[in-house]
Parts: sequence; structure tokens; C-alpha cells
Amino acid sequence: QQQVKQSPQSLIVQKGGISIINCAYENTAFDYFPWYQQFPGKGPALLIAIRPDVSEKKEGRFTISFNKSAKQFSLHIMDSQPGDSATYFCAASRRGQNFVFGPGTRLSVLP
Amino acid sequence: DVKVTQSSRYLVKRTGEKVFLECVQDMDHENMFWYRQDPGLGLRLIYFSYDVKMKEKGDIPEGYSVSREKKERFSLILESASTNQTSMYLCASSFSDRLGAGELFFGEGSRLTVL
Repeated sequence: QQQVKQSPQSLIVQKGGISIINCAYENTAFDYFPWYQQFPGKGPALLIAIRPDVSEKKEGRFTISFNKSAKQFSLHIMDSQPGDSATYFCAASRRGQNFVFGPGTRLSVLP
Repeated sequence: DVKVTQSSRYLVKRTGEKVFLECVQDMDHENMFWYRQDPGLGLRLIYFSYDVKMKEKGDIPEGYSVSREKKERFSLILESASTNQTSMYLCASSFSDRLGAGELFFGEGSRLTVL
């Protein structure tokens, strides 16, 4: 119940394309769903987050889509750029306690 | 800017040695966490603390202990290092907002190799 599944494991996208990463969870008590971005040699950093009272949140080229009934959420990166090449982790938590992370997606954006 | 500083970026230790990983945050955050990152497994929570001298086990606490004597400092201790503890260790801190959830701020990680 604590697991967060994430796919794909790796993703290659052409510059300007759309990158889509999907996550699924089981625990309906989760109330906070962040995405973290990690560049090589760095710690993860918060990219965007959503709470289950909305179905979509957009910040610039990054959008989270949230489907509460399906217990799924996804990250969409529009107009993907080589600088977006990184590892992306979805996560879920309940009241900020004990974040559970997905296994990560390595995104490569080709120039 | 919030800064989470991990004392060592790279460590090489021998089996059976005692290992200390130190983490300091400068934003007066109540919450501090130690995660382990392994390829294909994501980030797994080892221990966390919501207050000074307080600690809670995460998902994989076996073989580890922690210490939080001061609010800004959270230490991870491997009492007797083993080769299966070779990994990247990430410290994080967060505040607690009115909804309970707070952004996790991560350090740059400590890569530990146990020979």
C-alpha cells in the first residue's frame, strides 16, 4: 500500500517534443503528490506538486495531471529541452510525513 | 536559499567500520530525513526526525541509527558497515505548514563505498 509505481524507467525525447511520465499509488490517505528533478551529482529538487483537490496544475512547461479515482498522476513536459535531461521522481505523502518515492525515470532530450 | 549540507561527498570504508554521515540545515526546519538512493529503487527512507532528540524508523532502518542533538543537525550512523550498505545517502529537511506537507530540501548526497 505504501508503494508508488513509476513508468517508464527511461525516456528519450527529441527537443521540442512532449515528455510524459506516469505514476500510480495505492494508499488513498496520500494527500500530497510532488515531482522531484535530479541532475547528476546533485540532490533532488522539487519541480512541481499537486494536492488531490485539483485535477491539473501547470507551471510553465511542466504540468501535473491527477486522476483521483484511478489513483494515478503524471508529469507532462511540453517543448522538452536538452536542459530537462535529468532523473525525475514522483512521490506521495500524507501530511508531509514519510514521503514514498517512485523508482525514477531517466529522461534524455536529444538536441 | 535553503541549504542542506552533507559533510562528505565521497567516503570509502571497510567492512565492520563505524561510519558517521553528518547533515546540517540552515533554515530552522523541524523535520529532517535520511534517504538511501539505489538505481531502480528510487529513494528509500531510513530514518526521520520531527524534533530534537526525536527519531522515527523509516522503511529500511536495519543496520542504521541516527542522532539529532540539535535542531539543525541530523546524523546517520552505520555501526558496522557492510558491503550491502554501499549506496548514495541523501539528507533532506522540511518545514511543516498548515496542511502538514512541506517541500523536501535535499543535500547533494554522500556516496559511500564499503569494501
